Amino acid sequence: AQTVTQSQPEMSVQEAETVTLSCTYDTSESDYYLFWYKQPPSRQMILVIRQEAYKQQNATENRFSVNFQKAAKSFSLKISDSQLGDAAMYFCAYLTTWDMRFGAGTRLTVKP
Amino acid sequence: GAVVSQHPSRVICKSGTSVKIECRSLDFQATTMFWYRQFPKQSLMLMATSNEGSKATYEQGVEKDKFLINHASLTLSTLTVTSAHPEDSSFYICSARDVRTGYEQYFGPGTRLTVT
Repeated sequence: AQTVTQSQPEMSVQEAETVTLSCTYDTSESDYYLFWYKQPPSRQMILVIRQEAYKQQNATENRFSVNFQKAAKSFSLKISDSQLGDAAMYFCAYLTTWDMRFGAGTRLTVKP
Repeated sequence: GAVVSQHPSRVICKSGTSVKIECRSLDFQATTMFWYRQFPKQSLMLMATSNEGSKATYEQGVEKDKFLINHASLTLSTLTVTSAHPEDSSFYICSARDVRTGYEQYFGPGTRLTVT
């Protein structure tokens, strides 16, 4: 079965500090993409960062970066200089030719 | 960025009636659209994958006759909840896959369905 596992239901970080959200996945596909999405209370899904599985270099987007370990099937998200606006649910997901699967989510709280 | 719209954003219907939810890609063509269901404080659960011009592929446990999906064009997919019951009340989200890249996906804002 193709699955995505987020083992941290909740995480908390102090404003301006760094936090890492964990994600592991399991797929038999060789060609896939990995994503982190943010879902604020409005429930609109917002793309945070994307990683192509064929690329060894870890993706970065401003304060957001990933640690992609393909052999270990691990895809963690690091948020640097956390801001109050980063507070939301974060979902890890993978996309193959045929479907897209999401993890259970991690609720991130940012403390001022 | 690319925009996906969903209509309606909220709908309340009586038990036993049917309701249709539209998902449109406004400025790009989508070869594939996904339909998800999300319960409060839970993740998105894939219901079905919809490809333009062909039958949708449903996930195990999703009733095909209850959740009718039609992907009539590269910009429109519809989800019809037939003979709705209170347990069908949920938040439904669609996403559209950009044909130009094959992997870029854009999410609609979701539809909150309440069945009374």
